[in-house]
Amino acid sequence: EPEVTQTPSHQVTQMGQEVILRCVPISNHLYFYWYRQILGQKVEFLVSFYNNEISEKSEIFDDQFSVERPDGSNFTLKIRSTKLEDSAMYFCASKPGQGAGVQETQYFGPGTRLLVL
Amino acid sequence: AQTVTQSQPEMSVQEAETVTLSCTYDTSESDYYLFWYKQPPSRQMILVIRQEAYKQQNATENRFSVNFQKAAKSFSLKISDSQLGDAAMYFCAYVMEYGNKLVFGAGTILRVKS
Repeated sequence: EPEVTQTPSHQVTQMGQEVILRCVPISNHLYFYWYRQILGQKVEFLVSFYNNEISEKSEIFDDQFSVERPDGSNFTLKIRSTKLEDSAMYFCASKPGQGAGVQETQYFGPGTRLLVL
Repeated sequence: AQTVTQSQPEMSVQEAETVTLSCTYDTSESDYYLFWYKQPPSRQMILVIRQEAYKQQNATENRFSVNFQKAAKSFSLKISDSQLGDAAMYFCAYVMEYGNKLVFGAGTILRVKS
């Protein structure tokens, strides 16, 4: 069964460093998402991406964050200058389309655990 | 703004028994989707079940079923014949039709006793 994959599974970085989190969504899915989950807290929406542009972003997704789909398969989240509070689990998700049942279901990757020291 | 509330931080169930996890939500939309996701200790998010708001029939997936009460804005998850592998954090989530972001509840930790 197709699944969303994410790399790396764990990343440790120093405060102020740039990190790039990578995702390969399910092929033929059109909508892509990033969410984050700070330890012990709820999952929070960061950004959605469709047709090569951001379709919605949350207030968390400030200028330090950017997303890109550099080719036909990868979807990346870049954090330009990491802060301690960026330590979290980052989930990528994708969905096939819009408007009916399974089209609206987002499938999640296994997550990248980011630790900022 | 849409909100999702899970009022039970933690629940316990005996193996082979049935447990119900509660979820309520607030929205002014009439068309939307509701989900239950399971997050085991590995922290991966696994889809358990989906409910379309326009469907009156409650969704069922094997041992998992929901009780969807649209007027009450309630969406509970029933797990029958609980197994040790069901132990996890369970998140209720909402998305409006043609919407982008899933809105999650705070989660309920389910412990299964042998």
